[in-house]
This record gives sequence, C-alpha cells and structure tokens, in this order.
Amino acid sequence: SQTIHQWPATLVQPVGSPLSLECTVEGTSNPNLYWYRQAAGRGLQLLFYSVGIGQISSEVPQNLSASRPQDRQFILSSKKLLLSDSGFYLCAWSLFGGIVHTEAFFGQGTRLTVV
Amino acid sequence: LAKTTQPISMDSYEGQEVNITCSHNNIATNDYITWYQQFPSQGPRFIIQGYKTKVTNEVASLFIPADRKSSTLSLPRVSLSDTAVYYCLVAAPRGYGGSQGNLIFGKGTKLSVKP
Repeated sequence: SQTIHQWPATLVQPVGSPLSLECTVEGTSNPNLYWYRQAAGRGLQLLFYSVGIGQISSEVPQNLSASRPQDRQFILSSKKLLLSDSGFYLCAWSLFGGIVHTEAFFGQGTRLTVV
Repeated sequence: LAKTTQPISMDSYEGQEVNITCSHNNIATNDYITWYQQFPSQGPRFIIQGYKTKVTNEVASLFIPADRKSSTLSLPRVSLSDTAVYYCLVAAPRGYGGSQGNLIFGKGTKLSVKP
C-alpha cells in the first residue's frame, strides 16, 4: 500500500531563518507531487507541483522553492522566512496516468509558525 | 483551467440530507470532478469522484448533469462528525490535456452540522 510521510508536524522558526520541509512517498512510482499552504481559516493554495524528477511548476511566485531530487521525494525550502510564510503546509501525491483518474492523497501536514 | 464556485458555508442538523453544489462552467472534456473533505489541522480526504451522471459510494452520492457545468455532492443523514470543509475539484489525468496535473482547490464549503 502507498504511504506519504511529511515532517516535521510542527515548526517554529524566526523571521529570516531558512526552511526545509520534506515529503516522501512509498509504494508507488512516478507520482505527481504537490505542496500546498493553508493560512488560518483559508482554503488550500497550491504552491508547487511536480510531474517528474527535476520538474517543478510554481503556481505562486514567492520566497519559497521546491525540489524533487528523487522520484518519491519532494522538498519545500526557503532561504529567509517571512512572517507571511506562517501556515499549514501539506504535501500530496497522485497518479494521473492511464485511463483511470485517481485521487490525491495528503500527508498529515506541517504547522509552521514564523515569529 | 476549470474554475469552481461553491457556497462559502452551509448549516444543517443531524439526520438531514445535505446537498452541496459546485459550479464549473468551463469544465473540459477530459476533466473529472472530485470532492474532498477536510477536518481542521488535517489534509483533505477523498470522498467521491465522477465524470457524468450519478456516482454513489458508501459515504456520498455525486450528481452530474448532462452538460457537466455543475455537480452536487449529497451527504445522506449527516452527523456531527460530518462538520468539515468540502472542496470540489476539477482536473484531467496527466497527458489528457486540461489541468496537466496541477490540482487547484477552491475555497471550499464549510459545513456545520448542529445537534
């Protein structure tokens, strides 16, 4: 069975510090991978998605970046965090290949507070 | 990319049937319609998916008219535990045009079930 791991669960970081959130998927190959952010009381904002190793598409320009060094690993980074980067970050994967459309599966999320 | 529109919030009482409608006027031929449920501090969870007509599973039904410009999620006999945010999502399988794999969530509908 497929599983998705996202860590850490919570994180408190000072303004200007770097960020690295990691997400890994097990039990599948060549998945689409996604990073979302959800501000308090708001909807899900798609930040980045990837359809393959080294292929990153950015939906929202900002001081965040994403990388996919391996097929099932997706990393969200920042060189200098801003207060506005606080939020609930979610990683997700899906398989869109073939005839059957499949749903997206989400990790448990990382609650980031920038102070 | 097909944009979705949902009511911001809905109230219901335990035992009632709840219908949440989503508009997607620009849906493409290869797009599927998927609904997700999200509880606070958790990632969204797949509820149901369809392409046309009616789909039913153990938790919900999805009604899609012939023109596919809208869809209705039906939750039979809701309970307090169904209080959550419900998202309607329109996307096509990778390689089949449409969204090319990026999953854009709208603002969702916050359902509040009261005793």
